[in-house]
Amino acid sequence: GENVEQHPSTLSVQEGDSAVIKCTYSDSASNYFPWYKQELGKGPQLIIDIRSNVGEKKDQRIAVTLNKTAKHFSLHITETQPEDSAVYFCAASRRGSYIPTFGRGTSLIVHP
Amino acid sequence: GAGVSQSPSNKVTEKGKDVELRCDPISGHTALYWYRQSLGQGLEFLIYFQGNSAPDKSGLPSDRFSAERTGGSVSTLTIQRTQQEDSAVYLCASSPSGGASLEQYFGPGTRLTVT
Repeated sequence: GENVEQHPSTLSVQEGDSAVIKCTYSDSASNYFPWYKQELGKGPQLIIDIRSNVGEKKDQRIAVTLNKTAKHFSLHITETQPEDSAVYFCAASRRGSYIPTFGRGTSLIVHP
Repeated sequence: GAGVSQSPSNKVTEKGKDVELRCDPISGHTALYWYRQSLGQGLEFLIYFQGNSAPDKSGLPSDRFSAERTGGSVSTLTIQRTQQEDSAVYLCASSPSGGASLEQYFGPGTRLTVT
């Protein structure tokens, strides 16, 4: 089955810096890669996703890149703010499956 | 509009007791998922419902776990004879119908503590 590795497990940055979280996946048939943000005491919330037919997607300060050949994808947050502090999860799912495989999460801490 | 709701938000139970966790998905969403999130861990898939199809139960960790979805809407996750290792946050998510749309909308979770 699919295996998703996520790094780092913890990331500490200063406000205004950029943050990058990386994920690798094992199943070359995976074609959908969402990123979720989970704030303390809440459920995960989808913040951005990318499908295998594109290499990059941006939404304001957030961007995701996908390298299908290397089977890895990354979340980029620019100009970080304290409210970006949360746990971020990547996930991957394959064509024909409705069950994504999640990474173990990255705890992002943005210091003011 | 209303999001996914779960109840109770917290549940403390004694080892050996049965518990029921409830999920109300977003109206009109045909897909419903249950996940388990242990402290500092990722999301462990438990069970998936899609419309009137038979559920995918491949993630249930033991036969003490079961779930049902009535009328294609509300779902209940039942854990029988709870064990301390069942302590975790149980998350429910729903997803709209349709092709490649796989976005999931999560509820706030139920924190289960087994003493």
